[in-house]
Amino acid sequence: DTEVTQTPKHLVMGMTNKKSLKCEQHMGHRAMYWYKQKAKKPPELMFVYSYEKLSINESVPSRFSPECPNSSLLNLHLHALQPEDSALYLCASSPRQGTEAFFGQGTRLTVV
Amino acid sequence: GENVEQHPSTLSVQEGDSAVIKCTYSDSASNYFPWYKQELGKRPQLIIDIRSNVGEKKDQRIAVTLNKTAKHFSLHITETQPEDSAVYFCAAIPNYGGSQGNLIFGKGTKLSVKP
Repeated sequence: DTEVTQTPKHLVMGMTNKKSLKCEQHMGHRAMYWYKQKAKKPPELMFVYSYEKLSINESVPSRFSPECPNSSLLNLHLHALQPEDSALYLCASSPRQGTEAFFGQGTRLTVV
Repeated sequence: GENVEQHPSTLSVQEGDSAVIKCTYSDSASNYFPWYKQELGKRPQLIIDIRSNVGEKKDQRIAVTLNKTAKHFSLHITETQPEDSAVYFCAAIPNYGGSQGNLIFGKGTKLSVKP
């Protein structure tokens, strides 16, 4: 398996909802990332896990909460989001931090 | 910290022509430079990369060159085809500092190949 798989592909949620985004890879990569991408902009780093430990939190609001249950899985828990949080959320993995990164197909999130 | 500048922001070429996208970086400690292609509504896809100990790398119609002294690197696409139309992002990974080990992206170039 040479892919990064994200679910769901699309998500519409209200501002009071709680939802989770999931990401999975079976390439043995030890670094996993969450990115946020707005239209016509580059991906913006949110979180980095290296060897299942959170190594960077790029000052992301607490309404986004990452979790790395094991070396193959990465979750992003969402709570009390704002309409401006609507974006494409991309998961990526790399053999280790600082090496080539491969992206999942993303979750298109709309907050209403 | 690292800063990556990318030019041009849009590029339109005729099918069969060549396309060149240029990036500069600020941190001389950066040592890995990937290029991603993102088609509309799809994921960024790694198309080619180069490390700081190499000056040029080629893969079929795509090539990347790196000038460490000038701190710039370029993507060259020859014999462009309509399916090359996409947004291309350059990136750099610094070797130390606050962004160590993380992709720092340029703002992207929207390439349109006209048939």
